[in-house]
Amino acid sequence: DIVMTQSPDSLAVSLGERATINCKSSQSVLHSSNNRIHLAWYQQKPGQPPKLLISWASTRESGVPDRFSGSGSGTDFTLTINALQAEDVAVYYCQQYYTPPNTFGQGTKLEIK
Amino acid sequence: EEQLVQSGAEVKKPGESLKISCKAFGYSFPDYWIGWVRQMPGRRPEWMGIIYPADSDTRYSPSFQGQVSISADKSINTAYLQWSSLKASDTATYYCARHQGSHTMFRGVVINSYYYYMDVWGKGTTVIVSS
Repeated sequence: DIVMTQSPDSLAVSLGERATINCKSSQSVLHSSNNRIHLAWYQQKPGQPPKLLISWASTRESGVPDRFSGSGSGTDFTLTINALQAEDVAVYYCQQYYTPPNTFGQGTKLEIK
Repeated sequence: EEQLVQSGAEVKKPGESLKISCKAFGYSFPDYWIGWVRQMPGRRPEWMGIIYPADSDTRYSPSFQGQVSISADKSINTAYLQWSSLKASDTATYYCARHQGSHTMFRGVVINSYYYYMDVWGKGTTVIVSS
């Protein structure tokens, strides 16, 4: 299985500031068949299912605020949240869909400082 | 609106069987892979397996192969996750989720199917297994 490792495990950021969450895969998730990075980011709030934020490492889902952005290549990826809002408090997961089983990172808990 | 509606919470005893459901609304159910995800309290989600309702092609994570059964009835737009003998360690919340995907066609026939990220999620079914 591809192992996904996120850092940090938890993060406290002031309102209006930037939050940066990292994700590392144990092997490349760039698929040669379509030359795309098979990585997604999800946001999960307590008592709710995960919500898709970003696919293909950097494509924001419709309706997701543009303060959320994804970047990275090869095995290292970043989710950036600019101008943090109170409603962004959640656990964030990266997930690879390069090869089954599709595996998730351990999550990063984002709080307000 | 595209949505997945899951069956309600269950409390069962070890050794009992269980089948939970996930009904799709607002999109063409047969045309999308639909998968199941386990999430134990305070833990990361775990991808269990997936089914393509159009032809019932089913794939399992090795961690869940033989432990659960995934099925679908495209006539009623519903996917299922089933256990024949529950264990206490099955206590968790289970989500169904639609996968975006693609197909490779040859002369009008699907020769390969791919599944990607999960864009529509059910609200989850909590299963508690306790004696």
